[in-house]
Amino acid sequence: AQTVTQSQPEMSVQEAETVTLSCTYDTSESDYYLFWYKQPPSRQMILVIRQEAYKQQNATENRFSVNFQKAAKSFSLKISDSQLGDAAMYFCAYRSRRGAQKLVFGQGTRLTINP
Amino acid sequence: EAQVTQNPRYLITVTGKKLTVTCSQNMNHEYMSWYRQDPGLGLRQIYYSMNVEVTDKGDVPEGYKVSRKEKRNFPLILESPSPNQTSLYFCASSTHRELADTIYFGEGSWLTVV
Repeated sequence: AQTVTQSQPEMSVQEAETVTLSCTYDTSESDYYLFWYKQPPSRQMILVIRQEAYKQQNATENRFSVNFQKAAKSFSLKISDSQLGDAAMYFCAYRSRRGAQKLVFGQGTRLTINP
Repeated sequence: EAQVTQNPRYLITVTGKKLTVTCSQNMNHEYMSWYRQDPGLGLRQIYYSMNVEVTDKGDVPEGYKVSRKEKRNFPLILESPSPNQTSLYFCASSTHRELADTIYFGEGSWLTVV
């Protein structure tokens, strides 16, 4: 079974600085997507960024970028120029072709932004 | 506007009293799922449906039932709720065409069983 692990329950960063959230996953499949979701205090699930396993180029969305290391099964999220609105729970998630009906989530990392 | 709507958003109930959490989507999606979120465990899939009348168990189905009689609706039924079902529940929907297709989540339903 596929598993996703986020080993950092909590992280904090100074406003305007850069922070990296870690995620590792385990799978024997080759066709899959990886995602980062943001969950602010409202508990809404917001898609931040997605990465296709077949693409070597790391995905970027404005201040958010990923470091995708397929061989190491690592998928970290880098947030540059951190803003107070970035404070949230962040979840790493996996979706495969064979198991397309579901997302497999990590445990989550709570990110605090210090002003 | 693309929406997944869950009701109720907040509920406190007593052990053993049957309850239903409704979920409705307006995007004509084939896939619908229920997840529960618990501290330190992330979100885990309870049940899913790939189309009308097609449902299957997810990773944590015990104590739950679902039905998919219409494409837009996917209610979650707790026949005899217990305190260990106290959780935050999310309904989600998506198409089945591409893995990259956005999965839409409802706003969540907080359920407390006392």
